Amino acid sequence: AQSVTQPDIHITVSEGASLELRCNYSYGATPYLFWYVQSPGQGLQLLLKYFSGDTLVQGIKGFEAEFKRSQSSFNLRKPSVHWSDAAEYFCAVRPLMDSSYKLIFGSGTRLLVRP
Amino acid sequence: DSGVTQTPKHLITATGQRVTLRCSPRSGDLSVYWYQQSLDQGLQFLIQYYNGEERAKGNILERFSAQQFPDLHSELNLSSLELGDSALYFCASSATENEQFFGPGTRLTVL
Repeated sequence: AQSVTQPDIHITVSEGASLELRCNYSYGATPYLFWYVQSPGQGLQLLLKYFSGDTLVQGIKGFEAEFKRSQSSFNLRKPSVHWSDAAEYFCAVRPLMDSSYKLIFGSGTRLLVRP
Repeated sequence: DSGVTQTPKHLITATGQRVTLRCSPRSGDLSVYWYQQSLDQGLQFLIQYYNGEERAKGNILERFSAQQFPDLHSELNLSSLELGDSALYFCASSATENEQFFGPGTRLTVL
């Protein structure tokens, strides 16, 4: 079945530490891939996206993500986390065979940052 | 600020009632999407409109309906409300397939 999986519900890291949030997808063809962040009481903000080309994608706020076709993964990374990064992070896909542009979201990973 | 506005920010109502949520897309965006975010279902796509026409439907209940007006703003109508309809409802807009811009959401509480 087609799905987007974020295996970690919560992750806690210390400020200044590195971060990796996992995302796996299950689709016939590689879909378009996105990471969004939702801060408390806020809407969703796009961090980065992957359509094709270079498998390492740079985004806003110092985030990057790496697409690995062999693992059907699109993990989000940040070398040094700031307290303001505490939020919920969603991986999303847009299936290529879909005539609409709707997004399918993972269940989210809540990031807690220790001072 | 994404440029997408949603009103109201919060809505509290009773079971059986009907409410209307409003969304104004970014200037020039022809597509509007509605998503529901609930604790048990997560973020789910409800429906998409493109330039006034319905383009795609997700798991939208029959009690829910939407429309997009000539000025491109959209409304999501929720009727015969149940406790389980309590959720955060997001509107997003896009001009291309590259990115959807999300509004701040409307938090609906059904008592």
